Amino acid sequence: EAQVTQNPRYLITVTGKKLTVTCSQNMNHEYMSWYRQDPGLGLRQIYYSMNVEVTDKGDVPEGYKVSRKEKRNFPLILESPSPNQTSLYFCASRGATDTQYFGPGTRLTVL
Amino acid sequence: QKEVEQDPGPLSVPEGAIVSLNCTYSNSAFQYFMWYRQYSRKGPELLMYTYSSGNKEDGRFTAQVDKSSKYISLFIRDSQPSDSATYLCAMTYTGGGNKLTFGTGTQLKVEL
Repeated sequence: EAQVTQNPRYLITVTGKKLTVTCSQNMNHEYMSWYRQDPGLGLRQIYYSMNVEVTDKGDVPEGYKVSRKEKRNFPLILESPSPNQTSLYFCASRGATDTQYFGPGTRLTVL
Repeated sequence: QKEVEQDPGPLSVPEGAIVSLNCTYSNSAFQYFMWYRQYSRKGPELLMYTYSSGNKEDGRFTAQVDKSSKYISLFIRDSQPSDSATYLCAMTYTGGGNKLTFGTGTQLKVEL
């Protein structure tokens, strides 16, 4: 089954404690993205990657890092999380068309 | 001003009603328009995809784009309780690659 998986699905952490949210897709897609979704603000792109070792900033990259060492994986790293990064995070991948496939989401709470 | 504006709702309709969901946008470069459906606690899933102006129909769903007015719509005919979800419009432009700009979403509830 074609899918995008994220882990963990839920995470509660404290300010400053480094964390990584993993994302993996099994569709051999080149493009992958991370979004955050906040009430009243909708989905905003954090980072995207056009291929292995090629990443670029989206609209709200501050406080986040990404890496793309393999085509299927695109982890999101928060080096020093802060409460304003409490949000619902989605990973997405896209093939040759403009259809983006979203993962199930990771609900992050930073205390 | 946001690039894409969408009424958040909530919109409540009776089963069988025709639903109209809308977005306006300000960037005239947008050429590709999408509607995503997002159920509670799930990721968005693509519902409709259109290029430039015109209509596209898929079953009970019709997507309409009016580039001259910078206005897009999604119509749902014979709405069902299973259509209850948040509907997000999204758009991008040629060469936009992986960058989609989303509306904030409209919450729809179809009641029995």
